Amino acid sequence: AQKVTQAQTEISVVEKEDVTLDCVYETRDTTYYLFWYKQPPSGELVFLIRRNSFDEQNEISGRYSWNFQKSTSSFNFTITASQVVDSAVYFCALSEVGGSQGNLIFGKGTKLSVKP
Amino acid sequence: DAGVIQSPRHEVTEMGQEVTLRCKPISGHNSLFWYRQTMMRGLELLIYFNNNVPIDDSGMPEDRFSAKMPNASFSTLKIQPSEPRDSAVYFCASSLQLAGPDTQYFGPGTRLTVL
Repeated sequence: AQKVTQAQTEISVVEKEDVTLDCVYETRDTTYYLFWYKQPPSGELVFLIRRNSFDEQNEISGRYSWNFQKSTSSFNFTITASQVVDSAVYFCALSEVGGSQGNLIFGKGTKLSVKP
Repeated sequence: DAGVIQSPRHEVTEMGQEVTLRCKPISGHNSLFWYRQTMMRGLELLIYFNNNVPIDDSGMPEDRFSAKMPNASFSTLKIQPSEPRDSAVYFCASSLQLAGPDTQYFGPGTRLTVL
């Protein structure tokens, strides 16, 4: 069965620290997609990244970077030089190609607090 | 470009009343999803439409919940009768799905409180 685990419930850092949010997934499919979403205090869900299972290249976007490792079924997210505006709940999600396409299975989220 | 639009943004109602939540997906998207977010259960899919046809409604909690998509630009989620345990934030999302799962873009959500 598909499952996404975000073991870190809450993380608190001081501004300018680097922080890594962990995501471990389970799936029986060989083709799947992984996502990260950000939910700031205002409540909306903001898309950050989508990755398919055949693309293990790490991705960097500004201060954000993602490390995808199929061998450990992990898709971790790192924020470099964190800022107060990064404070939010971050969700990792999985979508399989087979079965109910498009169904996003979300982790429980990691609440990140960045203090000035 | 307009994103996913949901209305109302907040709804407070009394137990037993009918509640209707509305969603307008992003123009051109062919898939629409309704999710519910609670502290206890997190984000969970309720129902998923593709080309206006319900594909997977296995997440709909019970018969009190129903969803429709009469056309490509509008969907409703109805709860009748509502109960306090239905209190949650309800999100609508849309995507353009061609060969496989594509990015879902979420609306701002409707915060429902059932007293």
